[in-house]
Amino acid sequence: GAGVSQSPSNKVTEKGKDVELRCDPISGHTALYWYRQRLGQGLEFLIYFQGNSAPDKSGLPSDRFSAERTGESVSTLTIQRTQQEDSAVYLCASSPIIVGQLGTEAFFGQGTRLTVV
Amino acid sequence: LAKTTQPISMDSYEGQEVNITCSHNNIATNDYITWYQQFPSQGPRFIIQGYKTKVTNEVASLFIPADRKSSTLSLPRVSLSDTAVYYCLGDGSSNTGKLIFGQGTTLQVKP
Repeated sequence: GAGVSQSPSNKVTEKGKDVELRCDPISGHTALYWYRQRLGQGLEFLIYFQGNSAPDKSGLPSDRFSAERTGESVSTLTIQRTQQEDSAVYLCASSPIIVGQLGTEAFFGQGTRLTVV
Repeated sequence: LAKTTQPISMDSYEGQEVNITCSHNNIATNDYITWYQQFPSQGPRFIIQGYKTKVTNEVASLFIPADRKSSTLSLPRVSLSDTAVYYCLGDGSSNTGKLIFGQGTTLQVKP
């Protein structure tokens, strides 16, 4: 694809329901990153994948959050039993290799705006 | 975790040059210094990246001193459309894989 694609673009859910957010990275990109951005705040790092593996899951806010990646391509971020504090924009990014090494850059999607009511 | 430090906000006027300085005292040998720009309701986008000395592209210049513990993003002759949040990264992600963004600098360009 031309860029990183995230779906849905907007999601309104009731408190207590589960939601699944999808990220389609740029084809061939090995690294994939998930972030949460609350209104007026900076980007909160959640998790990254190198291939299909997530070496460090310590950024996930609670055990209600999980993420997976398959085929070194699409990734899903799942939030179980959503709470109002989960309301935020969830951003996904991908890069050819782990960012920081050899001067590569991350390409971001437009994000999914999640509202928990 | 090592982190970057930059001013929370800056104001400028159209046509002025804007310089935003970032501190990254714990930058790793393998890390590049990267700056991103984020407009409201959009994901961040890459602006410029460097390892040392000076880098210039069509958007900005990046100045990095020899010790690499800080960097300065320079935006020449800003316009209203440069109003955005600017993030600098240089925090050891090459070792950890974690791409950590700080709070960024909110630049407000006034007419």
